[in-house]
Order: sequence, then structure tokens, then C-alpha cells
Amino acid sequence: EAGVAQSPRYKIIEKRQSVAFWCNPISGHATLYWYQQILGQGPKLLIQFQNNGVVDDSQLPKDRFSAERLKGVDSTLKIQPAKLEDSAVYLCASSLEGNYNSPLHFGNGTRLTVT
Amino acid sequence: AQSVTQPDIHITVSEGASLELRCNYSYGATPYLFWYVQSPGQGLQLLLKYFSGDTLVQGIKGFEAEFKRSQSSFNLRKPSVHWSDAAEYFCAVVLSGGGADGLTFGKGTHLIIQP
Repeated sequence: EAGVAQSPRYKIIEKRQSVAFWCNPISGHATLYWYQQILGQGPKLLIQFQNNGVVDDSQLPKDRFSAERLKGVDSTLKIQPAKLEDSAVYLCASSLEGNYNSPLHFGNGTRLTVT
Repeated sequence: AQSVTQPDIHITVSEGASLELRCNYSYGATPYLFWYVQSPGQGLQLLLKYFSGDTLVQGIKGFEAEFKRSQSSFNLRKPSVHWSDAAEYFCAVVLSGGGADGLTFGKGTHLIIQP
């Protein structure tokens, strides 16, 4: 089966600019996650979707971050405006179910550098 | 809040030697426990997981982990490492059925294999 697809692989922007990341999950996976992985740390959940609804966005900095999954398939994560501390790898993951009984499949991530 | 501690930031092991990576968690109840591996530039791949039952779980690539409730630990082991095992290893926990903060990751252990 095809894995989780993410684009772009790399992005360099200046602070205060905006950026968007795209994720296409594995076909049939109802649950989609966005994680932020800062260098030297483990991934941190930003937002979890079940189909096109938000299940958990408690750790999403909503003043600058937004995410959508309008048709319950692919998803975009946007940062506007970006700050230096947003430099990280943004990982998308998907799973069949949202209760962690089924494994999470991760994409290769988008590495964002904010200068 | 749930937390995961991986005490070793780096571990160096000779090829063919045995390996043990430590993981301790802090949680009121027994959570679901996972080990993931991340190769450079790649997403995370699930090695194994523990939900309940037999406390010794087998995973892919010859890895195993043992859940010890009394020590709140879930250490990862491999009897003989290969050069291809060099990667970042993450322990992760989540409340059964999903909980606040979703899957919580440790900061990772970087495994270096010496020839």
C-alpha cells in the first residue's frame, strides 16, 4: 500500500511569512494527525482529525496555526505568521481508527526552517 | 499529565553486541506503550506495542520489549545489533482509547553502531 505522502520535503521562509504543508494519508484511514518535531525532541501532537472533524487540537497554537481536512481525506497545515521557534519537522500520520488500537503510519515529514 | 523519560540521549554499541534502551513513564494507570524508530530523513516506524497481556512483546527487526509495572518501565532490547539499526528510537505512551495530548513521545535515544 502507498504510504503517507507529505509535501514539500523542505521549506525555508523568513519570520512573519506564511507557509502551508500538505498531507495525503493512506487510503481508507479515517484518522489523521499532525505532529511537530523540534530538533532533539520527540514529536508533539498538534491536531487530530477523525474524518473531517477535529478530535483534539488542544496543543495547536491557534493564533498562528490552522489545519483543515475538508473532504476527510488530505489535509493542510498552515502557519501564519511564522516565528523562529516554528523551525521543526512537521510530521503527518494516519491510522484506521483513532483510539491507538491500530498503528500510526507516519510520512517522511516536512522540514521547516524559519530565518 | 503523562510523561515519558528516555534517560540515554546517545548510546554506542558494537555491531553484534546486545542492546537495551531504557524507557520510563509516569502515569496513573497502565497506558498503551510503543517503541518507534526513525532513520535520518524518514518518518517514524512502529517497532512494537504493548496493550495488555504477556509483558514481553516481540516486534519487527528482531526487537523485543518488556513491560514492568513495578518499575513503570518498557525497555527495548535486541540480542545482536546490526549496522542498519543505527537510528533514533522513541518510546511513546497514550491512555488506552486515546487521551489528552494524544501519543506522548520521549525525547529519543540516538543509537550509534560501532564496526
